[in-house]
Amino acid sequence: ELKVEQNPLFLSMQEGKNYTIYCNYSTTSDRLYWYRQDPGKSLESLFVLLSNGAVKQEGRLMASLDTKARLSTLHITAAVHDLSATYFCAAEMDSNYQLIWGAGTKLIIKP
Amino acid sequence: DTGVSQNPRHKITKRGQNVTFRCDPISEHNRLYWYRQTLGQGPEFLTYFQNEAQLEKSRLLSDRFSAERPKGSFSTLEIQRTEQGDSAMYLCASVDGGHSGNTIYFGEGSWLTVV
Repeated sequence: ELKVEQNPLFLSMQEGKNYTIYCNYSTTSDRLYWYRQDPGKSLESLFVLLSNGAVKQEGRLMASLDTKARLSTLHITAAVHDLSATYFCAAEMDSNYQLIWGAGTKLIIKP
Repeated sequence: DTGVSQNPRHKITKRGQNVTFRCDPISEHNRLYWYRQTLGQGPEFLTYFQNEAQLEKSRLLSDRFSAERPKGSFSTLEIQRTEQGDSAMYLCASVDGGHSGNTIYFGEGSWLTVV
């Protein structure tokens, strides 16, 4: 059974600092997704990682995938307040776009 | 392209009543998914359709839940005899399943409160 674990679950940090969110999954998965969710809102797609060694960057966010270690990371560089949100990773089951989700990391960035 | 649309956005219902949610996916997307999300948790898969065919249902989907996608376009999720434990946000997502690695788009969600 595919399980996804994120850590930390809660992160409070100062603007300008760097930090990394970790996402481990338990069995082989084809693809790894990162989403952002603001309070009371839906899920906004950030990255889709398709293969081992994949790295994608958008602004201050960078995601990577190591399929051998079954690990994905979301790195935040020089955080700004606007990045405060909950970040979810999700692993895809059976190549059918069905996602198994982590519990989310609530990120608070203090100005 | 107006994105994935869900309605109603909010529904408060008394325990035991039936509720129905509607999802209009992005028009060219052949795959449609329903998830449920409770506060402080990640979404949980409920069911998905490829065109009009319902291909998989989660164990979470008790016999009080039914979903349809009659013409392979919009979908409905009905909950019969609602219970307080059904209170959650119900999310719909769609994707072009014809290729790998496409983005999965989510709707704004339908919040259900059972009182």
